[in-house]
Amino acid sequence: KAGVTQTPRYLIKTRGQQVTLSCSPISGHRSVSWYQQTPGQGLQFLFEYFSETQRNKGNFPGRFSGRQFSNSRSEMNVSTLELGDSALYLCASRQGSGGANVLTFGAGSRLTVL
Amino acid sequence: DQQVKQNSPSLSVQEGRISILNCDYTNSMFDYFLWYKKYPAEGPTFLISISSIKDKNEDGRFTVFLNKSAKHLSLHIVPSQPGDSAVYFCAASTSSARQLTFGSGTQLTVLP
Repeated sequence: KAGVTQTPRYLIKTRGQQVTLSCSPISGHRSVSWYQQTPGQGLQFLFEYFSETQRNKGNFPGRFSGRQFSNSRSEMNVSTLELGDSALYLCASRQGSGGANVLTFGAGSRLTVL
Repeated sequence: DQQVKQNSPSLSVQEGRISILNCDYTNSMFDYFLWYKKYPAEGPTFLISISSIKDKNEDGRFTVFLNKSAKHLSLHIVPSQPGDSAVYFCAASTSSARQLTFGSGTQLTVLP
């Protein structure tokens, strides 16, 4: 069974640009969550999608957005990039949408903003 | 406001000894707790979990203890192995929440 796949794995952008990251969840998983990891901050929740609907959103500015497609694949977009957006962006999937389900994470997309 | 705190950014332990990683939480609504392990260049992987109806859960070398009155959980690894060297994150959720709240992580180094 294939795991959670994130693309691209690494990317470099400059301030003011925008970026789109992609996530393919485990087959059969309908819930996709996105997290931002920065040194010393742990994993900060961005948003969760379930059946193409955003179910929950973390405390991030509107420059961060996402969507989910009918095949459960998800994308997140960051517009007008800032230096502080440099981070590892992790996508995770699970079967249901309840709190007790275990998240399975992808390897992440490492974004560097210059 | 960090609802889940891991106050030790790093921990070094000798191979074969016990590793104890600690985690504190402030939200009394949390009723499900998990530990994840993360190696460099990989995503976090699920290690072990515990429901608030229990105070201990064991899986091989890994045991998680939950003290609800103190809002504290700990992960014990016995015996520690060099391959256990990784960043360990604790996480918590409520039964109705759709997100996990993570701590900032503890870098465990097991010395051979």
